[in-house]
Amino acid sequence: EVQLVQSGAEVKKPGEPLKISCEVSGYRFSRYWIGWVRQMPGKGLEWMGIIYPGDSETRYSPAFQGQVTVSADKSNSTAYLQWSSLKASDTAMYYCARRLVPHDVFDIWGQGTMVTVSS
Amino acid sequence: DIQMTQSPSSVSASVGDRVTITCRASQGISSWLAWYQQKPGKAPKLLIYDASSLQSGVPSRFSGSGSGTDFTLTISSLQPEDFATYYCQQANSFPLTFGGGTKVEIK
Repeated sequence: EVQLVQSGAEVKKPGEPLKISCEVSGYRFSRYWIGWVRQMPGKGLEWMGIIYPGDSETRYSPAFQGQVTVSADKSNSTAYLQWSSLKASDTAMYYCARRLVPHDVFDIWGQGTMVTVSS
Repeated sequence: DIQMTQSPSSVSASVGDRVTITCRASQGISSWLAWYQQKPGKAPKLLIYDASSLQSGVPSRFSGSGSGTDFTLTISSLQPEDFATYYCQQANSFPLTFGGGTKVEIK
């Protein structure tokens, strides 16, 4: 069974760093792009960026370029989303999802990681 | 960026009703459009891709149509498990963008 399992909820203070994870199972990790999507409380979906674990090629939405870093580790079939310095406005649910090429849609999603940033 | 506009933002319907949701792109996207369903506290679920292709395992009461800038998602006979929020997503170009969502509520 194809699964994307995300790390647990986080509560952080403004200015702190954070790295959340998305562990993949049930298919060859390096063969599919993984994307990250933000959903702020009560709001819609926003595409943040994607990574191809095979060669670590990344693409970012301009809205998130420079604000977050997407990475992947083939040795443990895990993708990551990280912040160097969190802001209160980063409070949101973050989903990882598998990208289907060439359709450019996301067919399998993780359960989400809730990130709360508060002083 | 391509802007995606959904309408209505919410709709009240009864079990058995036919429900239609519209998504408009700010520029032509051919058939590069997907629809997702999201229930409260859950991750989105892919329903339709390439505007009209049904994702494996999705009931046939869901259908999609359109091309260019105007698209529709139709639920032919609403079931209790279909009460949720629906999002469109353009897959034509980066950055990928989503519509604002349509909440289907119980009448």
